[in-house]
Amino acid sequence: DIVMTQSPDSLAVSLGERATINCKSSQSVLYTSNNKNYLTWYQHKPGQPPKVLIYWASTRESGVPDRFSGSGSGTDFTLTISSLQAEDVAVYYCQQYYSTPWTFGQGTKVEIK
Amino acid sequence: QVQLQASGPGLVKPSETLSLTCTVSGGSISTYYWSWIRQPPGKRLEWIGYIYKSAITNYNPSFKSRVTISVDASKNQFSLTLSSVTAADTAVYYCARQTAAAGTVNWFDPWGQGTLVTVSS
Repeated sequence: DIVMTQSPDSLAVSLGERATINCKSSQSVLYTSNNKNYLTWYQHKPGQPPKVLIYWASTRESGVPDRFSGSGSGTDFTLTISSLQAEDVAVYYCQQYYSTPWTFGQGTKVEIK
Repeated sequence: QVQLQASGPGLVKPSETLSLTCTVSGGSISTYYWSWIRQPPGKRLEWIGYIYKSAITNYNPSFKSRVTISVDASKNQFSLTLSSVTAADTAVYYCARQTAAAGTVNWFDPWGQGTLVTVSS
C-alpha cells in the first residue's frame, strides 16, 4: 500500500496569512506515460462530507477559491492557502489514486491563530 | 447534481454483520464507480471498496474476506455489508462516487453525508 504522510498534524494561522500543508507518499504517484500526479486534496468540515479542492495535484476544482493551490510531483506535494479566511477552518486530507488500495493522509487540522 | 445519502443501523453487535445503503439521487447508478470509505474515531479515512456497472468489484485487502458491495439498480442504491464486526469497525461510513477516464479511476466526488456506526453489545 502507498502510505501518505502529512505534515504538520495541525497548524494555527492568522487571518489573511498563508497556510502550507505538506503531503509525502511512500512511492511516486506520477505516471510518466501521461505526466500526471494521481494526488487529490480534500477539505473536511465538521458535520459535512469531504469536498474536493484539488486534483491531479494542482488542478483546482470548479468553484474552489483561487487562494487554494496545489503543487508538487512524484512523492512530495503541497497545499497552500494563500490568505486564510475564517471559513477555511477544517481538516485537510491528501489522497492518492495511483493504485489500489487508495489511501489518505492522516489529515491536517487548520485553525485560526 | 448527483447527491448521495448513506443510511443504516447506528448500532451493531460484535460478531454480527453491518449493513449500509447509499441512495443516489440526481443521476444513474448504472455508470461511474461507487465506493465506501470509513473513518474510525481519531483515525484517517480508509477506502473499503467499490462497485462498477453493478458487477465489478474491487475491495481493500484489509477487508477482503468480510466485505461485499452490491447494487440495486431498480432503487438506484448500492450497499455495503461487513461481516464479523468488532469494536474496531466503529466508524463514520461514507459513500462516494468516482469518475473514470482513460483507464484511470479518479478521486471521490461527491461524498454522501456520513453515517456513524457503533459496534457494541
